[in-house]
Amino acid sequence: QVTLRESGPALVKPTQTLTLTCTFSGFSLSTSGMCVSWIRQPPGKALEWLALIDWDDEKYFITSLKTRLTISKDTSKNQVVLTMTNMDAVDTATYYCARVHSAMGAVDYWGQGTLVTVSS
Amino acid sequence: DIVMTQSPDSLAVSLGERATINCKSSQSVLFSSTDKNYLAWYQQKPGQPPKLLIYWASTRESGVPDRFSGSGSGTDFTLTISSLQAEDVAVYYCQHYYSTPPGTFGQGTKVEIK
Repeated sequence: QVTLRESGPALVKPTQTLTLTCTFSGFSLSTSGMCVSWIRQPPGKALEWLALIDWDDEKYFITSLKTRLTISKDTSKNQVVLTMTNMDAVDTATYYCARVHSAMGAVDYWGQGTLVTVSS
Repeated sequence: DIVMTQSPDSLAVSLGERATINCKSSQSVLFSSTDKNYLAWYQQKPGQPPKLLIYWASTRESGVPDRFSGSGSGTDFTLTISSLQAEDVAVYYCQHYYSTPPGTFGQGTKVEIK
């Protein structure tokens, strides 16, 4: 059974750095074809894909936020960490981590999401 | 980056009637070497994460009712709900996964009961 769970602060101040952790089970990120993505959704708005890390430690980022994002994995802990620097009110959103299997290409499992509010 | 545009933004359909959602990509998402369209559809209900319905443009995810179907190729795609049920009220998103970076979503289409 595949599960993913996001954890991190619910509230961050403008200019601070956000660190989110995705803890997953039911698969290994060292298995060929496995990837984990971060996707966010501002309240009442559409989904926005942010970043992806794959089994080979290749990393991909949305072009518009590339300079602010880092993604890393700890295979032994089954965790993926996303950091986003210089947070702003427009970054207020529910942040999801999700699994992608290259055989399907699409996101087949999602976490429940964590709401991050940026406010002073 | 590839831009995904859905139409309409919302639609209201009577129970048991057909609902059709369109998705257009700014460039082809058909990968010639695999002959696959790198396009997925998701359903999102309020307060829930999205749920995968369709991948490779027309392959139904396991457990998804067969009233959901995907079609299209290249730049133009359609999600059809053949007979709308009350539990289908949701927002539907298309997403491409063709290029690097992958994953652009459409703006979403809200489906309601008429």
